Amino acid sequence: DSGVTQTPKHLITATGQRVTLRCSPRSGDLSVYWYQQSLDQGLQFLIQYYNGEERAKGNILERFSAQQFPDLHSELNLSSLELGDSALYFCASSVAETSVYNEQFFGPGTRLTVL
Amino acid sequence: GDSVTQMEGPVTLSEEAFLTINCTYTATGYPSLFWYVQYPGEGLQLLLKATKADDKGSNKGFEATYRKETTSFHLEKGSVQVSDSAVYFCALTDRGGGRRALTFGSGTRLQVQP
Repeated sequence: DSGVTQTPKHLITATGQRVTLRCSPRSGDLSVYWYQQSLDQGLQFLIQYYNGEERAKGNILERFSAQQFPDLHSELNLSSLELGDSALYFCASSVAETSVYNEQFFGPGTRLTVL
Repeated sequence: GDSVTQMEGPVTLSEEAFLTINCTYTATGYPSLFWYVQYPGEGLQLLLKATKADDKGSNKGFEATYRKETTSFHLEKGSVQVSDSAVYFCALTDRGGGRRALTFGSGTRLQVQP
């Protein structure tokens, strides 16, 4: 158990809908990262927050957004969903904003299926 | 940009066989290198890491050496077990601070047969 929790574990929805994925980092970790794992794209970085502020953006679509709240949990919002958004979404957390080691601890993921 | 290339799987081995999973990287800066493992139905776990040239990361019998001259970080284990069956990801992160997220390879599935 990494200490990172994600809810829900599974999500099934229809095209055009909007969903919210939730992540609680390990106690004491200030950074939260979101990754998408799909069969065709592999594991891709979406976005990072540190202590409530956006710090880095990767291949995140404009239909997707995220935020980190004062209690440090984070939410990833996916809207106008398309079939191609079906994937496993991981959250990871780490202590520092950036470090030589940059060890990240991953949650179990949320599997999103868009029908 | 940065990238990581891993050997394609699946890799199928018998128990107690020697394992090598190749990983090479391209980076603009001087990256830190990682191996993560994903067991079925679970998230990724850090297996080992190395932060500078010639460093050897090791954990649970797995080893990998940071080779700057060949831009490689191959994963090895002398004797695999059925419980090692998983997907292994090689990854890097830029130590320069400009990019903090991990760049992953495509993953290599290992299947160990009894």
